[in-house]
Amino acid sequence: SQQGEEDPQALSIQEGENATMNCSYKTSINNLQWYRQNSGRGLVHLILIRSNEREKHSGRLRVTLDTSKKSSSLLITASRAADTASYFCATNGGSQGNLIFGKGTKLSVKP
Amino acid sequence: EAGVVQSPRYKIIEKKQPVAFWCNPISGHNTLYWYLQNLGQGPELLIRYENEEAVDDSQLPKDRFSAERLKGVDSTLKIQPAELGDSAVYLCASSARGPGELFFGEGSRLTVL
Repeated sequence: SQQGEEDPQALSIQEGENATMNCSYKTSINNLQWYRQNSGRGLVHLILIRSNEREKHSGRLRVTLDTSKKSSSLLITASRAADTASYFCATNGGSQGNLIFGKGTKLSVKP
Repeated sequence: EAGVVQSPRYKIIEKKQPVAFWCNPISGHNTLYWYLQNLGQGPELLIRYENEEAVDDSQLPKDRFSAERLKGVDSTLKIQPAELGDSAVYLCASSARGPGELFFGEGSRLTVL
């Protein structure tokens, strides 16, 4: 089962532009994480935001969390061709405490 | 520090054959996960270990899938017999404790013919 739902499914932008991806989820969470996956590779952790946090920054990444709307967004500023990858949100919540992934947003950054 | 190591990276088998995947997590990581990822989809949890105990295997198809984590370190995921629909990437991940930051291996891509 997948709790998170990313939007859009695919995004194509030019180098230097900003990329925004959204994630909606259904149940209460302890934290929400964003991961990146290059084609044919494993997932790499980008950032974790806890349920009591509203915004977090890491380099060119900015993540927001709105628990009242059960949604999060990932902003990548000044994108580069090397940012081309799939981006997944993952939520941690519930009694089992497992990390449940969404279907991902496929980002293409054209040079 | 070495990352999560998985093998084999690629495996092609005929249907009804058995297959096994191996995972070596990051040293000291107590929590180990096996995920399945179909093409164009996000990872789906198969099983989660805390040390050598499988604390959540509710999504593991137990008629044909089995997993073990002897001594709470390496883990093996087995499929017997494999079916066409099992073609996917099998990802192993580990974390220091519980579902904080997960560290993933490169995955094992299975093709069942």
